[in-house]
Amino acid sequence: GAVVSQHPSWVICKSGTSVKIECRSLDFQATTMFWYRQFPKQSLMLMATSNEGSKATYEQGVEKDKFLINHASLTLSTLTVTSAHPEDSSFYICSASSSNQPQHFGDGTRLSIL
Amino acid sequence: GNSVTQMEGPVTLSEEAFLTINCTYTATGYPSLFWYVQYPGEGLQLLLKATKADDKGSNKGFEATYRKETTSFHLEKGSVQVSDSAVYFCALFTSGTYKYIFGTGTRLKVLA
Repeated sequence: GAVVSQHPSWVICKSGTSVKIECRSLDFQATTMFWYRQFPKQSLMLMATSNEGSKATYEQGVEKDKFLINHASLTLSTLTVTSAHPEDSSFYICSASSSNQPQHFGDGTRLSIL
Repeated sequence: GNSVTQMEGPVTLSEEAFLTINCTYTATGYPSLFWYVQYPGEGLQLLLKATKADDKGSNKGFEATYRKETTSFHLEKGSVQVSDSAVYFCALFTSGTYKYIFGTGTRLKVLA
């Protein structure tokens, strides 16, 4: 079946650094990718929707300059958390879909900011 | 706006017990409905789906029927196993918004 790969799976870094998370669609062309944030024992919160070749659409309350999303190709989207701080620590999950593929999720990235 | 309401957990069952996790939704138009499962430390996996009223999604012994009249999509399994222990999310998708809306998740714990 279709697979979405997310990398890295776990990252620990110092406050103030920027962290990039990759989301790859391995066996289908993902016209749309979604980025979610999940707090412990809570549901997924949609952060943004990105369509290949265009700017991401951010949900209300999500800082565009804080969470940079790039979807330059049909198989790759990246989320960069800029100048990360401890409150950005969370589980980030991407998903990919297309017109003939339902949403497939990556395994998530656990981000810990010290 | 669109929303999904799930029963609160945790749900604790003995092995081979019958499982029901309730899910109701509010949506304009005709959404597709999904159940996803999340194992500890992992992302979400699609468990089953239904795209129109009266459709029944099924997978790995789990079933859910799209009930438009009650706006529900309850998840059921006749005999749960310890390996079913996970968090289950009900979700809807509407082509109008092109967004997935998730419920808050229900944690299931199955005891041997």
